[in-house]
Amino acid sequence: AQTVTQSQPEMSVQEAETVTLSCTYDTSENNYYLFWYKQPPSRQMILVIRQEAYKQQNATENRFSVNFQKAAKSFSLKISDSQLGDTAMYFCAFQGGSEKLVFGKGTKLTVNP
Amino acid sequence: EAQVTQNPRYLITVTGKKLTVTCSQNMNHEYMSWYRQDPGLGLRQIYYSMNVEVTDKGDVPEGYKVSRKEKRNFPLILESPSPNQTSLYFCASSRQGAYEQYFGPGTRLTVT
Repeated sequence: AQTVTQSQPEMSVQEAETVTLSCTYDTSENNYYLFWYKQPPSRQMILVIRQEAYKQQNATENRFSVNFQKAAKSFSLKISDSQLGDTAMYFCAFQGGSEKLVFGKGTKLTVNP
Repeated sequence: EAQVTQNPRYLITVTGKKLTVTCSQNMNHEYMSWYRQDPGLGLRQIYYSMNVEVTDKGDVPEGYKVSRKEKRNFPLILESPSPNQTSLYFCASSRQGAYEQYFGPGTRLTVT
């Protein structure tokens, strides 16, 4: 069974600085997808960024980028120029052939003014 | 507007009183799923459905039932709720083979 591990339960960063959230996963599959979801206080699950395992190029969405290391099974999220609105829980998730999303336990990120 | 809706958004109930949380999507998605979110545990899958009349257990199915009689609806049924089912519940849907799931707004359930 796949597992997703987020080793940082909580993190904080100053506004305008850069922060990196860590995620590792375990799978025997070769084709899969990885995601970062953001959950603000409203509780809505918002897709931040996704990465297809067959693509070597790291995904980027504006201030959000990932460092995908397939051999190491690592998928970290970098947030540049942090903003107060980035304060949220962040979940790393894995999706293999079964279409089931397997989530990590989350990292609570606080952006301080 | 493409969306997944859940009702109710908040529910407080007592042990043993049957309840249903509805989920509906307007995107003609084949795949639908229920997750529960608990502090420190992330989201865990309860049940999922690949299409009408096709459902299967996820990681934490005990105490829950589902049905998929129509493509757009995927209700979650708690026949005899217990306090350990107090949680935040999410419904999600996606096209078959797609890699983005759309989440509903969540249902906060408290069982006393």
